[in-house]
Amino acid sequence: GNSVTQMEGPVTLSEEAFLTINCTYTATGYPSLFWYVQYPGEGLQLLLKATKADDKGSNKGFEATYRKETTSFHLEKGSVQVSDSAVYFCAPTTGNQFYFGTGTSLTVIP
Amino acid sequence: SAVISQKPSRDICQRGTSLTIQCQVDSQVTMMFWYRQQPGQSLTLIATANQGSEATYESGFVIDKFPISRPNLTFSTLTVSNMSPEDSSIYLCSVGGRAGAYEQYFGPGTRLTVT
Repeated sequence: GNSVTQMEGPVTLSEEAFLTINCTYTATGYPSLFWYVQYPGEGLQLLLKATKADDKGSNKGFEATYRKETTSFHLEKGSVQVSDSAVYFCAPTTGNQFYFGTGTSLTVIP
Repeated sequence: SAVISQKPSRDICQRGTSLTIQCQVDSQVTMMFWYRQQPGQSLTLIATANQGSEATYESGFVIDKFPISRPNLTFSTLTVSNMSPEDSSIYLCSVGGRAGAYEQYFGPGTRLTVT
């Protein structure tokens, strides 16, 4: 079956620092890969996605590249802001099977 | 993308009672999902609700405890029955994106506390 391993948090960064949140997965078949973000007190929002090898998903300055050879989908941002403070979930999806990582809590301090 | 609303947004309930959570979508969707998110944890899929058929429950979840209705393509309810403090959680509904795309769109969640 599918599984996902996500970098544990919490992560605390200063504003404008570089962010990497690691995500690796195992999957049967060829999954689509997603990052979701959950701001305090809210539901999850789709942040970005990639559906095939070497695709790069990007949104709001965040990027992640579908690495089939290493089964990874690491989330990066070059310069984080206080408003990026949230919990981030990696989610490989194959057909009707949805798997969410444990979530990585990010706090950005001014 | 779909816009999803949930009612209630939060509730405090006594053990042994039941709570029904409503999920409304602004467009017709085939698949709707119900998740539980316990404090500080990831999401656990409870069941998939398809219109016109019985919900499909994941391992560890049963219909008697979490009955689901799906009367049409824009609405679903999840009932948490005979509640205990262990049911304290955030309950999220979500819908699938366009066919074959697999992304999900989530409601804001219902924060349930059982005392």
